[in-house]
Amino acid sequence: QQQVKQSPQSLIVQKGGISIINCAYENTAFDYFPWYQQFPGKGPALLIAIRPDVSEKKEGRFTISFNKSAKQFSLHIMDSQPGDSATYFCAASLADIPTFGRGTSLIVHP
Amino acid sequence: DAGITQSPRHKVTETGTPVTLRCHQTENHRYMYWYRQDPGHGLRLIHYSYGVKDTDKGEVSDGYSVSRSKTEDFLLTLESATSSQTSVYFCAISGSSGGLSSYNEQFFGPGTRLTVL
Repeated sequence: QQQVKQSPQSLIVQKGGISIINCAYENTAFDYFPWYQQFPGKGPALLIAIRPDVSEKKEGRFTISFNKSAKQFSLHIMDSQPGDSATYFCAASLADIPTFGRGTSLIVHP
Repeated sequence: DAGITQSPRHKVTETGTPVTLRCHQTENHRYMYWYRQDPGHGLRLIHYSYGVKDTDKGEVSDGYSVSRSKTEDFLLTLESATSSQTSVYFCAISGSSGGLSSYNEQFFGPGTRLTVL
């Protein structure tokens, strides 16, 4: 059973556009929702994270929207740049143990 | 970058041979994790440790064992490697202090690419 479902699997966006990646979770006990960014040949790195008592968090061009009742959260990348081309993973964590989504490969065309 | 290294970075081995991967941290973080990453599957937790000699199984622990005799080192062992264990393995650390244990960033190592022939 996949506890964290991520979509889409791949995404192509033009430079300057908005990239949106969605995740849905099952376990209402999850209490920490991070997004990680991974470039080829590198380990994932934390991009932004949110706690369930907050509906939105923004850091620069990156925003997490969190809908607790729907058990969904999403990553929005505003003004997408070619340098944002990477794989993005959402995760839901409980007691320091995260469950990851399967990842979204984002390509931003110049 | 967080002080976390993995060795070896690449390894090719044959089916049935034992393999040990090492994760070393200089951050004195309490938690250490081993993941495998495969196309279409994302990151899947193999084992984790919440202190010296304290370990627990993750989602895909069959065929793997771990040991943590020191805070800074977390070893992953494949007792008898199989082709299905061909993957990229990532170690991660986090610095839980207990009270706010769910709100800690994980820092990942550079990964080990393992090929089992």
